[in-house]
Order: sequence, then structure tokens, then C-alpha cells
Amino acid sequence: EIVLTQSPDTLSLSPGERATLSCRASQSVSSSYLAWYQQKPGQAPRLLIYGASSRATGIPDRFSGSGSGTDFTLTISRLEPEDFAVYFCHQYGSSPLTFGGGTKVEIK
Amino acid sequence: EVQLVESGGGLVQPGGSLRLSCAASGFSFSSYSMNWVRQAPGKGLEWVSYISSGSSTIYYADSVKGRFIISRDNANNSLSLQMNSLRAEDTAIYYCARGRNSGRSAFDIWGQGTMVTVSS
Repeated sequence: EIVLTQSPDTLSLSPGERATLSCRASQSVSSSYLAWYQQKPGQAPRLLIYGASSRATGIPDRFSGSGSGTDFTLTISRLEPEDFAVYFCHQYGSSPLTFGGGTKVEIK
Repeated sequence: EVQLVESGGGLVQPGGSLRLSCAASGFSFSSYSMNWVRQAPGKGLEWVSYISSGSSTIYYADSVKGRFIISRDNANNSLSLQMNSLRAEDTAIYYCARGRNSGRSAFDIWGQGTMVTVSS
């Protein structure tokens, strides 16, 4: 099983600042089958990034993904008020599919 | 509108069974893989099960293997999860989620979730 470790657990930032979220895999994620999701309280997750770096439909370009192998990053270039949420990484390259524990981006 | 709507959640005693359903609309259901993902109260996401577009490939998380059965009815645009021998640790919101294509892929459409509570 590929274990995904996200860091930090919580990121305290102000609107307009840059957010950098990390996701480290216990073994290489095949074909960069790595996705990022955003979840707000009481809502289902929303796909932001797939294939490590491709933005999903309708996702603003302030969200970007990078990385390969075992190290992946989600960057939010300038935080908007609606971006404060929990973010999960997810590998779908090998079974069992797994999620990271999440990073909460909170308002400082 | 592309939509997934789950139903069938509720309160069940340990050892009991429950069947969840997910109704799909607004897209060609038979062209996409589907998944179940759960989230225990206040916790992170846990993938539960995957089924390919034509049902030829099915995977389960170890935590549910042998107890849960995923299935789909492409003629009726529906996904199901039969849950048997339920345990307290199965308590969670259960989401159905669409894969971006017919095989293994990121989950681009999610339902609103249905709550399953396992308690005596």
C-alpha cells in the first residue's frame, strides 16, 4: 500500500499569500497518478488537480500542481477567501487507492 | 446537469447489513469508472471500492474486503454498495465518486454523501 503523508497538518496564512502544500508517497506513484482535492465543511470533496499537474475543469489558474515519483506539491499562488479549506492528495495508480491525511489551510 | 445522488444510509446495528445506492444523471454512466469513498466524522477520506465501466475490474480496500460488494447497472445508471457484517468503524459518510474515464482515474464528480451509523 502506498502511504501518502501530507505536510504541514495546518497552514495559517492571510488572503493574498502563497500556499505550498506537500504530499510525500512511501513509494513511487505510477505514471504520476496523483490528484488533489479541496473540501469545505459540510461539502463533498472537489477535484482540483489530476495527473500531478493538470487542472480540472473550472479550476482557477492560481492552483497548480507539480512533482513526480514520491514528492508532489500543490501551490495556491494567491489565496482567495474561498480557498480556506482542507486539501487532500490522492494516488490512484495502484490498488489500494489511498488518500493523504489532509492539510487544513486556515486564515491567519 | 452532471449529478450523483446517494441514498440508503441510516442507523444499523453491528453485524447488520445495508445497501447504498447512487443514481447518476447528466452523463453517459456506462463510459466511466465509479468508486465509493467514505469519511468518518471529523476524519479524512478513505477509498472503499472501485468498479470499472464495464464491471470487469473491481477492487476493495482491505478494511471492507469480504464484507462489501460493489456493483453497477449501466442500463439504469446506478451504482450500489452492499455492506454486510457492519462494524462500528464503518460509521461514516459514504460518497459515490465518478472516475474521469473508464478505468483508473481521479474522481471528478462526487455525490453529496449518505451517512451510515453502526451502533447498538
